[in-house]
Amino acid sequence: DTGVSQNPRHKITKRGQNVTFRCDPISEHNRLYWYRQTLGQGPEFLTYFQNEAQLEKSRLLSDRFSAERPKGSFSTLEIQRTEQGDSAMYLCASSSRTGKYGYTFGSGTRLTVV
Amino acid sequence: GEDVEQSLFLSVREGDSSVINCTYTDSSSTYLYWYKQEPGAGLQLLTYIFSNMDMKQDQRLTVLLNKKDKHLSLRIADTQTGDSAIYFCAEIPTSGTYKYIFGTGTRLKVLA
Repeated sequence: DTGVSQNPRHKITKRGQNVTFRCDPISEHNRLYWYRQTLGQGPEFLTYFQNEAQLEKSRLLSDRFSAERPKGSFSTLEIQRTEQGDSAMYLCASSSRTGKYGYTFGSGTRLTVV
Repeated sequence: GEDVEQSLFLSVREGDSSVINCTYTDSSSTYLYWYKQEPGAGLQLLTYIFSNMDMKQDQRLTVLLNKKDKHLSLRIADTQTGDSAIYFCAEIPTSGTYKYIFGTGTRLKVLA
């Protein structure tokens, strides 16, 4: 078990470009979460999946954001027409069905929009 | 609103105990957590406590829960320089989705 893997670790993009991040959860975990963390703040919930179904999306997730989890395995988070305010660390986590014993987080993807 | 509050900074000497405090929002929160984040890294689960418990001890870590005051604390005994990091408390409100509300984090600096 290699834990939760996120790629890329860092991404620098120009404003207006599209970016896609990938998360590979722990294989036996059926819940997958995306959080966003800005400098000096705690992570904020974006969305979560149970298997392939996206069950909840935060109001933070504007129409420019889309997340998928085909076949209930890896997940992608795409941001279209990036803005400078999208610069943040994007964290992925996974958990067992209940999640009450905590999440396992990946190392995150740091996005910088210039 | 949903705000989990933590003090921003704590500085202790190596070998002393550290106590990090958190005030959470939902008196019905069933699950509460402490996570550690080192620079440039993701979050590492340290420990958790359920609302039917008042205290939990795990090696150098002691968690105290005061449900009446909605107050959670993390005590680290014999603090080491490797404990320098940001510590987040998190709650799962009673929404049933296992979605965390995180505090803003407490930066712990351990002085040698």
